[in-house]
Amino acid sequence: GDSVTQMEGPVTLSEEAFLTINCTYTATGYPSLFWYVQYPGEGLQLLLKATKADDKGSNKGFEATYRKETTSFHLEKGSVQVSDSAVYFCALQNTDKLIFGTGTRLQVFP
Amino acid sequence: ETGVTQTPRHLVMGMTNKKSLKCEQHLGHNAMYWYKQSAKKPLELMFVYNFKEQTENNSVPSRFSPECPNSSHLFLHLHTLQPEDSALYLCASSQEVLGGAFTDTQYFGPGTRLTVL
Repeated sequence: GDSVTQMEGPVTLSEEAFLTINCTYTATGYPSLFWYVQYPGEGLQLLLKATKADDKGSNKGFEATYRKETTSFHLEKGSVQVSDSAVYFCALQNTDKLIFGTGTRLQVFP
Repeated sequence: ETGVTQTPRHLVMGMTNKKSLKCEQHLGHNAMYWYKQSAKKPLELMFVYNFKEQTENNSVPSRFSPECPNSSHLFLHLHTLQPEDSALYLCASSQEVLGGAFTDTQYFGPGTRLTVL
């Protein structure tokens, strides 16, 4: 069945460092891909999405490119801030079901 | 109010209590979902409602009872819960298109943090 694999955390960075959180997927057909973010004590917020191969989703300085050849959707940000500390979830959607990875905790220190 | 709202945000209940969680979406969507988020486990889909009809029940125990009176409101009725049911319960909504063949992006509420004593 369809699945999403994320790198295990926590990822610990200093402010202004470069961020990469790896995400790979297994799916039949042509799923849509998402990154959601969960700040402490809150629900999930949609961060960005891509609906077809080679699409790049971007928001708040974060980017991810839908790579069908490597079945990947890695999240990147050029310069992280303390306020980016949160748990990041990669997800795929094929027709109706949204399938999540296990989440990667990011901790950014001043 | 905008987006998806959930009440209460926090709930503490005993194993013999009966309580309900409420979700309301202000996005004009026609599908709603309940998820359970437990520590160190992946997000678990519990129930799906499309056009007020339940279309999915992922082997959820009967002590959880969903209700969807209209496309904007979703409830989760709780009774005789167990301590292992303590978790963050998230509601989401989306727009089903093409007769359910495709679902647009899901938008989540802030969740209800449930503690069962």
